Amino acid sequence: SQQGEEDPQALSIQEGENATMNCSYKTSINNLQWYRQNSGRGLVHLILIRSNEREKHSGRLRVTLDTSKKSSSLLITASRAADTASYFCATSPYSGAGSYQLTFGKGTKLSVIP
Amino acid sequence: SQTIHQWPATLVQPVGSPLSLECTVEGTSNPNLYWYRQAAGRGLQLLFYSVGIGQISSEVPQNLSASRPQDRQFILSSKKLLLSDSGFYLCAWRGGSQGVKTFFGQGTRLTVV
Repeated sequence: SQQGEEDPQALSIQEGENATMNCSYKTSINNLQWYRQNSGRGLVHLILIRSNEREKHSGRLRVTLDTSKKSSSLLITASRAADTASYFCATSPYSGAGSYQLTFGKGTKLSVIP
Repeated sequence: SQTIHQWPATLVQPVGSPLSLECTVEGTSNPNLYWYRQAAGRGLQLLFYSVGIGQISSEVPQNLSASRPQDRQFILSSKKLLLSDSGFYLCAWRGGSQGVKTFFGQGTRLTVV
């Protein structure tokens, strides 16, 4: 079953603009991770944010987490054509046997137009 | 540093034929290992995970099986492929110095014809 739901499903922006993608989830989590997937390729790990963190930065990426709203956002600043990809959020539940697993949303397809 | 290798990259197999996809991890020991499947335009669905040699947990009943004959080797198999087994299969690992971060291989595009 899908835990994370990304929004929007597709996003098209001009190079240099910022891109914001959102993720909502349903159950308590231990951590949330964002991934990028170029067409037909594997997933690249971008950033992990733990349930006790509110914001993390990595280069041009900024991730926020609001556990009260069960939502996260990924901001890519000064986008480049090479950022064109699908972006997924994935959650790990707080405890139990399922804490070994990641549950993925369907992703946001980002197109950055040169 | 840790790396994950998954092969083959693409595979076309006839219905009813067997399947064996292999995944190996280097640079860490006793990782958690995972097999995911991605349908077109969708997120990833967990198929199997393993926390140790010979320990396999199945998440979705299906025509596939998994094995972990060695600490850093994870194999996805089928005795007889179905058309519905077509998809993009991804191996992943987690553990060691990377903690809870999960890292993925490059995937195998399987087409059953």
